Amino acid sequence: AQSVTQPDIHITVSEGASLELRCNYSYGATPYLFWYVQSPGQGLQLLLKYFSGDTLVQGIKGFEAEFKRSQSSFNLRKPSVHWSDAAEYFCAVGWGFMDTGRRALTFGSGTRLQVQP
Amino acid sequence: NAGVTQTPKFQVLKTGQSMTLQCAQDMNHNSMYWYRQDPGMGLRLIYYSASEGTTDKGEVPNGYNVSRLNKREFSLRLESAAPSQTSVYFCASSLGGRTEAFFGQGTRLTVV
Repeated sequence: AQSVTQPDIHITVSEGASLELRCNYSYGATPYLFWYVQSPGQGLQLLLKYFSGDTLVQGIKGFEAEFKRSQSSFNLRKPSVHWSDAAEYFCAVGWGFMDTGRRALTFGSGTRLQVQP
Repeated sequence: NAGVTQTPKFQVLKTGQSMTLQCAQDMNHNSMYWYRQDPGMGLRLIYYSASEGTTDKGEVPNGYNVSRLNKREFSLRLESAAPSQTSVYFCASSLGGRTEAFFGQGTRLTVV
């Protein structure tokens, strides 16, 4: 069965430092990939998405992510973190209906980001 | 520009009570979803509706029922609430196919 793994439950970085959040998926077919962010008490907001083409995708708020097929990964990066980036981040993966019979996204368990001043 | 609207935002139920969570979207999306979010477990799919008139079970459907009332509305019903259903519930919608999902603000449900 398809699955999504975010190995880091909690990450703390200093403001201005770089950030990388990891995401790995498990399935043979090429998925389509998303990163969402959730601020406390809020819904999920889309940061970026990958469907096909260029494997480095740019998103909102200065985030980017790189799809690496050989590693089944879609890691999220930001060169300089701001205090307002503190939130929970979710990687999500979708597969074609013909592959799985399901038309819905599968989410990882999330990574909570704390930003130190 | 409302997007996905969920009601209520907060609810406390006693064990055995029933309730319906409402969700409506104004983006003319075909597909709608109900997820639950629990600490350390991310979002898990309860039910989804790929298009008006169809519904399918997700990963954790037990104890829930859904109704796709029309293209805009997708409700989630708890017939006999249990403490294990204490969670934050999110409704989402999408155009379908290879597109992103848009989320509501969530309903925080506590079953005592």
